[in-house]
Amino acid sequence: QVQVVQSGAEVKKPGASVKVTCKTSGYTFTSHYMHWVRQAPGQGLEWMGIIHPRAGSTSHAQKFQDRLTMTRDTSTSTVYMELISLRSEDTAVYYCARGRGGNSLDAFDVWGQGTMVTVSS
Amino acid sequence: DIQMTQSPSSLSASVGDRVTITCRASQSVSSYLNWYQQTPGKAPKLLIYDASSLQSGVPSRFSGSGSGTDFALTISSLQPEDFATYYCQQTYSTPRTFGLGTKVEI
Repeated sequence: QVQVVQSGAEVKKPGASVKVTCKTSGYTFTSHYMHWVRQAPGQGLEWMGIIHPRAGSTSHAQKFQDRLTMTRDTSTSTVYMELISLRSEDTAVYYCARGRGGNSLDAFDVWGQGTMVTVSS
Repeated sequence: DIQMTQSPSSLSASVGDRVTITCRASQSVSSYLNWYQQTPGKAPKLLIYDASSLQSGVPSRFSGSGSGTDFALTISSLQPEDFATYYCQQTYSTPRTFGLGTKVEI
């Protein structure tokens, strides 16, 4: 069955960077866009960006312009999200989520379990 | 950015009630409007995509309607497992924005 499994929780100091892993299985990796969404404690959902697994092309929210990098490894069906220059406001659960079809406008039908990233001195 | 406004922000209901949550977009999103359910400590779950299509495996008591800027999620007969937070989301443009959520409580 389709699975999306993320790496474990991280604790980082302000100014550091974090890289979250999202390993997929059970479907054709290159046929579905992948998204990154985060949720600060007690808050709503915030979309961060999208990656096309075949082409490797990305698009992201303007607020993450200079800090967010999304990559993929087609040999292991894995996508990665790296956020640099971390600040306390980046403390959140980070999710990867699959687009349900081959269209970048599709809804997110399969989500990872989430990765808690805590930024604290 | 397209702003998504949900109402109400919270509601109290009983098992068996009919519940409707609305979502308004600051500009047209055509039918690229999705609904998710989230329970505490869990990832969101897709309920409705493209405004009115029921995601596979989701009970038929959930339905969606609307197009353009005004949308609604209806739960025809609330069940105990439906007490959760519901989010609308537009995927029409970047960034893919979410509403702030509606918490459905007992």
